[in-house]
Amino acid sequence: DAGVIQSPRHEVTEMGQEVTLRCKPISGHNSLFWYRQTMMRGLELLIYFNNNVPIDDSGMPEDRFSAKMPNASFSTLKIQPSEPRDSAVYFCASSLGQDNSPLHFGNGTRLTVT
Amino acid sequence: DAKTTQPTSMDCAEGRAANLPCNHSTISGNEYVYWYRQIHSQGPQYIIHGLKNNETNEMASLIITEDRKSSTLILPHATLRDTAVYYCIVRPPGGGSNYKLTFGKGTLLTVNP
Repeated sequence: DAGVIQSPRHEVTEMGQEVTLRCKPISGHNSLFWYRQTMMRGLELLIYFNNNVPIDDSGMPEDRFSAKMPNASFSTLKIQPSEPRDSAVYFCASSLGQDNSPLHFGNGTRLTVT
Repeated sequence: DAKTTQPTSMDCAEGRAANLPCNHSTISGNEYVYWYRQIHSQGPQYIIHGLKNNETNEMASLIITEDRKSSTLILPHATLRDTAVYYCIVRPPGGGSNYKLTFGKGTLLTVNP
C-alpha cells in the first residue's frame, strides 16, 4: 500500500524564488506533520495539522514559511522568498491521530537554495 | 517532554543481535517509549513503542526496565540493511500538541559484514 508521498524529491532554486513542497498523506490518516532536517539542528517539527486544521505551528521559522491543508489528501509547504539557510530535507508525516498512533514519514524533499 | 540519552554510535556484526540502549530517567508514568530509525536518504521509519511491558513485533523487541528509566531495542539478527540512525523518543499520550515527536541525535548503528 502507498505510504506518504512527497514531491518533488529534489528541488534546486535560487535565492528569492518561491518554493512549494507537496505531500499526500496515507489514506485515512487525519493528522499531518511537516518536519525539517539539517545537519546542525537535526529533525525539527515545523507544523502539525489535525483534520486539516493547523494545531501547532510554533516551529515555523518565520513568515516566509506557510503551510496549507485544503483537504484530507493533500498538503503544501511554501517558502516565499526562499533563502540559502532554508536548504534542508523537508519531511511530511501522517498518523491516524489516535492515542499512540505512530507517525509514518515520506522520503522527503531535498531543497537546495543557491 | 522527557529527555533521552543514547550512545552516539555502535557497531554490530552481521547476523548477531544488536542491543541499542536508551536512558530516559525523567520519564513520566504515562509517557510511552518510541523507537524510530532513519536509513540514509530516507524518512524516519517507525519500529516499535511501549509503555511498561516488553513488546515484540516483526522488526524488533523492546525491553523496558521495571522502573522505566531505561530501555533497550533489540534487533535479533542484524543485517547490513539495518545500518541506520536509531532514535529513542519519549512521547506523552493523548492528542493535541502531544502528537508531535521530538527527535534527538540518536545512535548510528553500523552493521559490519
